[in-house]
Amino acid sequence: IAGITQAPTSQILAAGRRMTLRCTQDMRHNAMYWYRQDLGLGLRLIHYSNTAGTTGKGEVPDGYSVSRANTDDFPLTLASAVPSQTSVYFCASSDSNRGSGYTFGSGTRLTVV
Amino acid sequence: QQPVQSPQAVILREGEDAVINCSSSKALYSVHWYRQKHGEAPVFLMILLKGGEQKGHEKISASFNEKKQQSSLYLTASQLSYSGTYFCGTPTGVYGGATNKLIFGTGTLLAVQP
Repeated sequence: IAGITQAPTSQILAAGRRMTLRCTQDMRHNAMYWYRQDLGLGLRLIHYSNTAGTTGKGEVPDGYSVSRANTDDFPLTLASAVPSQTSVYFCASSDSNRGSGYTFGSGTRLTVV
Repeated sequence: QQPVQSPQAVILREGEDAVINCSSSKALYSVHWYRQKHGEAPVFLMILLKGGEQKGHEKISASFNEKKQQSSLYLTASQLSYSGTYFCGTPTGVYGGATNKLIFGTGTLLAVQP
């Protein structure tokens, strides 16, 4: 089934630890995005990539890094997790060349303790 | 720059209508609408492009007025399956094309009761 796969589904992480959230799509979309969702704040953009090999910062990039080595994969890394990074993380993709809407992954629920 | 949605929440009976508004303080070239059910990922509903067009999805339609920098989502004869949180998203870049990195509103919670 075409779509986006995120892993893990949920994770409890000790503060200070490093963590990589995985995101893979099979739709050959050129653009990919990472959002975090917090109650009352909606979806906030962390990082994005318009095409393989390029990335950019969103609204809340501090403490996060991304890479886009190929079209399909867009991992998000927390170098040293802090409790304020407790959130639900959604990866999304779109075919910006065709003006499509976003397809979202099922999300990763991360708790930093 | 985050678009403002209103109302924040609405409760309906099956068959009733609702309108959700999305306003921006900056010029808009397009507006996206998504629906998110509890515990699930947001699902794309429709894009409206500059030109004031209306679009429809099931019995859900939307309008886009770029002069007023706002969009409205119309839910007609609501069904139980319409329950969820509705988000509008607006492009952040100057380009403002049909798809660009989006800023989302804080959402409108819609609850449809039998």
